[in-house]
Amino acid sequence: DAGVIQSPRHEVTEMGQEVTLRCKPISGHNSLFWYRQTMMRGLELLIYFNNNVPIDDSGMPEDRFSAKMPNASFSTLKIQPSEPRDSAVYFCASTGQAGNTIYFGEGSWLTVV
Amino acid sequence: QKEVEQDPGPLSVPEGAIVSLNCTYSNSAFQYFMWYRQYSRKGPELLMYTYSSGNKEDGRFTAQVDKSSKYISLFIRDSQPSDSATYLCAMSPLSADGLTFGKGTHLIIQP
Repeated sequence: DAGVIQSPRHEVTEMGQEVTLRCKPISGHNSLFWYRQTMMRGLELLIYFNNNVPIDDSGMPEDRFSAKMPNASFSTLKIQPSEPRDSAVYFCASTGQAGNTIYFGEGSWLTVV
Repeated sequence: QKEVEQDPGPLSVPEGAIVSLNCTYSNSAFQYFMWYRQYSRKGPELLMYTYSSGNKEDGRFTAQVDKSSKYISLFIRDSQPSDSATYLCAMSPLSADGLTFGKGTHLIIQP
């Protein structure tokens, strides 16, 4: 199994630009999570989907952030416009029906300058 | 008070020592407790998974949950330099919920 696949692995962008992060969950998993990790705040849950439907987006910091899951094998997290304080590692994770084990991708390292 | 508290360390111990890592939490609804290990510039990987109170052992790793004290622990026996990483506790009310993480403890095992 290829695991959770995220792209890009690294992104450096200028303030005000749109950023799109992509995720392919593990095949057969029906829940997908987006987390953000910073030194100051640790790992924070931004949003999670179950069967492609957003269940809890209370962690999305503000309207500049949006997430979609158009099908079971693809999700995007978009930031528009980006700000320097959005610089962080963004992780996508997925789990199956039992929900016992959440598998993480390698992360997308975002730097906004 | 944060929902999950974890000492960031660093915690430095000699090879072969027993390591104790801990988290406290405030939300009594948490029932599922996990420990993740994260190497530098990698995603977290699941080490241990425990439901409700009790102990669970897997090789050199033992996880303990005390719900009455809202306190969880991870013990590593015969620690190895390869155990050097950041250890994150995580918990949730339901198995399919998103996890609430501690900030992680940076562990260094000295050869």
